[in-house]
Amino acid sequence: DTAVSQTPKYLVTQMGNDKSIKCEQNLGHDTMYWYKQDSKKFLKIMFSYNNKELIINETVPNRFSPKSPDKAHLNLHINSLELGDSAVYFCASSQGRGWTVYTFGSGTRLTVV
Amino acid sequence: GQQVMQIPQYQHVQEGEDFTTYCNSSTTLSNIQWYKQRPGGHPVFLIQLVKSGEVKKQKRLTFQFGEAKKNSSLHITATQTTDVGTYFCAGPRNNDMRFGAGTRLTVKP
Repeated sequence: DTAVSQTPKYLVTQMGNDKSIKCEQNLGHDTMYWYKQDSKKFLKIMFSYNNKELIINETVPNRFSPKSPDKAHLNLHINSLELGDSAVYFCASSQGRGWTVYTFGSGTRLTVV
Repeated sequence: GQQVMQIPQYQHVQEGEDFTTYCNSSTTLSNIQWYKQRPGGHPVFLIQLVKSGEVKKQKRLTFQFGEAKKNSSLHITATQTTDVGTYFCAGPRNNDMRFGAGTRLTVKP
């Protein structure tokens, strides 16, 4: 039973398209995150929600919009995809904020062509 | 903002050799975490260190937290091919954990 599940696992799309990635956690955690991992493996925080409230909104193009319908779900919608958006996107969850253990999803590899 | 600096970026070792990755912060950390990401996988939590000077062991892995709580290290004794992957340290910021750049370990059989 997967703790943090992301869909899709792979996404290949053309420039200019709009796409969404979904994330669900069954751990009962109250905080969820989106990270972007580039080809150099650097993990960059994008957004975080705590009990459906946006608490972290890093410097990310406004083409990226997160949505959290409830504390178990966090989706990421990307408009007008660009080549530079190609990366692996990880969802993660934790109980509480700050210094708490993160559980990551298996990632979504996005390739924009 | 608060960052954790991690070195080296890459490490190539022969199987059986030891490996160490280091994490440094300009500010005192309340705790530090370590994660491992296998090739093609996702980061998986390994351990959390909280106390000054703390040392914890997991089989061949030894984790240390500095006395000043500004640095940490992960040491692997006698590496095996199963140790390949990227090792990340992470330190707390206000509402999240900030990850170091990671050390990518490759092990030659």
